[in-house]
Amino acid sequence: NAGVTQTPKFQVLKTGQSMTLQCAQDMNHNSMYWYRQDPGMGLRLIYYSASEGTTDKGEVPNGYNVSRLNKREFSLRLESAAPSQTSVYFCASRRDGEIWGTEAFFGQGTRLTVV
Amino acid sequence: AQKITQTQPGMFVQEKEAVTLDCTYDTSDQSYGLFWYKQPSSGEMIFLIYQGSYDEQNATEGRYSLNFQKARKSANLVISASQLGDSAMYFCAMRESPLIKAAGNKLTFGGGTRVLVKP
Repeated sequence: NAGVTQTPKFQVLKTGQSMTLQCAQDMNHNSMYWYRQDPGMGLRLIYYSASEGTTDKGEVPNGYNVSRLNKREFSLRLESAAPSQTSVYFCASRRDGEIWGTEAFFGQGTRLTVV
Repeated sequence: AQKITQTQPGMFVQEKEAVTLDCTYDTSDQSYGLFWYKQPSSGEMIFLIYQGSYDEQNATEGRYSLNFQKARKSANLVISASQLGDSAMYFCAMRESPLIKAAGNKLTFGGGTRVLVKP
């Protein structure tokens, strides 16, 4: 199984450019998440989706939009990239609907540099 | 307010010794889950251990155990018999119950603790 696949793995953008980070999971999970991780720091939640067609803001949603068009895919869009958005972005998915939760599975990350 | 606090930014541990990584959390939910992840220098996130808020016993997975003190809202990770391969960042995370709140599927992470195992 591929698990959680993120594309691209690396990207350099100029300030003001837009781009979409793609994420797909093949585990039939309900919940999907986007995080950013700045150097030497923890993961901060940008947006998450509890199910197809629903999305909610996390801790740091400003400057981002997301789309959950189907159960497999959850994309993250930067409409006008800024240097402050230079970070490593992780997508994760998790089976849900259970109190005694299961762990989240993570993609390999996208290293984004905005110059 | 920060939901997950890891107060130790970095630690050294001697090979074969045990190490305890601190994690405190803040939630008003009665039902929640706590996770620990390892992130080696290669960057991937590796799940280590899970503790449910209603679990009566502390979780254990091989050399990993979780010292869960619900009243103190702490969920410390203990790594026994440290190995060189344990050198990594370690993150504590909390999932708040999805069955109580419709949008309660958040998975929130702490700032992490970097562990360096010395030979």
